[in-house]
Amino acid sequence: KQEVTQIPAALSVPEGENLVLNCSFTDSAIYNLQWFRQDPGKGLTSLLLIQSSQREQTSGRLNASLDKSSGRSTLYIAASQPGDSATYLCAVMGNTGFQKLVFGTGTRLLVSP
Amino acid sequence: DAGVTQSPTHLIKTRGQQVTLRCSPKSGHDTVSWYQQALGQGPQFIFQYYEEEERQRGNFPDRFSGHQFPNYSSELNVNALLLGDSALYLCASSLANYGYTFGSGTRLTVV
Repeated sequence: KQEVTQIPAALSVPEGENLVLNCSFTDSAIYNLQWFRQDPGKGLTSLLLIQSSQREQTSGRLNASLDKSSGRSTLYIAASQPGDSATYLCAVMGNTGFQKLVFGTGTRLLVSP
Repeated sequence: DAGVTQSPTHLIKTRGQQVTLRCSPKSGHDTVSWYQQALGQGPQFIFQYYEEEERQRGNFPDRFSGHQFPNYSSELNVNALLLGDSALYLCASSLANYGYTFGSGTRLTVV
């Protein structure tokens, strides 16, 4: 059974800092890994999707890496801004047929001005 | 290009009642999945629909049922509501397995 863990559970940083969010998963047989952002009480916004054959994806100030063999992914946020404050969720999809997403419990990020 | 649309946005029901939540997928998407997110937790997979059939189901009781229509839209039905069913219900659509787009969710409160 796939299990996804995210560390830290919460993070508070001053504006301008670079930061790293961590995601680990127990079963390396994944099809892809996706990072989402969730604002309080809202739905999920997809940030980056990494296919199992890829090592990293970049979008603006965000960079996500994937090490499938070790069951780890990191989300790097450069030059953090107060608008980055949200919960960040990592989700993996298995590699057999149509598969569900298995989510971690998220990292709650607060960026202070 | 409209994304995933869910209705209603908020709902309050009494224990024992039944509820129906609705989802319209993103244009071009043919697969719809439903997730339940309790407060402070990650979303949990309920079930997935493709070609009007339930393809996969998570660890949820039979009180949770669904339907997909020919236009790919979907409904989630929950019978005999319990207090523990209070959560944010998220619908996600996709084309095959390439990336999921989520709606804004329906906040269900059972009192």
